[in-house]
Amino acid sequence: QQPVQSPQAVILREGEDAVINCSSSKALYSVHWYRQKHGEAPVFLMILLKGGEQKGHDKISASFNEKKQQSSLYLTASQLSYSGTYFCRDDKIIFGKGTRLHILP
Amino acid sequence: NAGVTQTPKFRILKIGQSMTLQCTQDMNHNYMYWYRQDPGMGLKLIYYSVGAGITDKGEVPNGYNVSRSTTEDFPLRLELAAPSQTSVYFCASSPGIQETQYFGPGTRLLVL
Repeated sequence: QQPVQSPQAVILREGEDAVINCSSSKALYSVHWYRQKHGEAPVFLMILLKGGEQKGHDKISASFNEKKQQSSLYLTASQLSYSGTYFCRDDKIIFGKGTRLHILP
Repeated sequence: NAGVTQTPKFRILKIGQSMTLQCTQDMNHNYMYWYRQDPGMGLKLIYYSVGAGITDKGEVPNGYNVSRSTTEDFPLRLELAAPSQTSVYFCASSPGIQETQYFGPGTRLLVL
């Protein structure tokens, strides 16, 4: 079964914060996050490993709760360039359905 | 480094025709993958390979075949094209299964 992402879509104004969640029905060793802009290929953001630290990427960070089999992606002070679809991926190389993020100026 | 390259960029097939989608990586990665992405949807794993000569099925392998004779190349074969195979196909590679996947630019396939 594929990871479940929520919400399905988010609309923000520039400067606002967002949280995207990813959960699995199976035990996870790792969670990967990717971003895809319209008409382009997915691009890697970060990997969170079991027992590892919270990762950060500019104003984008993520956490991984192994016991709850969940990961969350935090986008702080969102920029127009953050628009796109965010995917989480489990350690079985299966992707979630994605969360569409649209940033308004 | 070119990274992951895919050819062709776009193709129109008639129902029942066959074709091969090419994928090449120059990063000496052991792992290679094929995904399909339908409009507005997520990525579905078709096949993957852990090294030359070794392939395994993903979530949606029916209607496709793969081979991996070299580290660099991982072609995807469609034998009898069907309208349900209209999609964007992405190839990706990674050094290991828990490491960053690098995606190619994709092949847009339309089956009519």
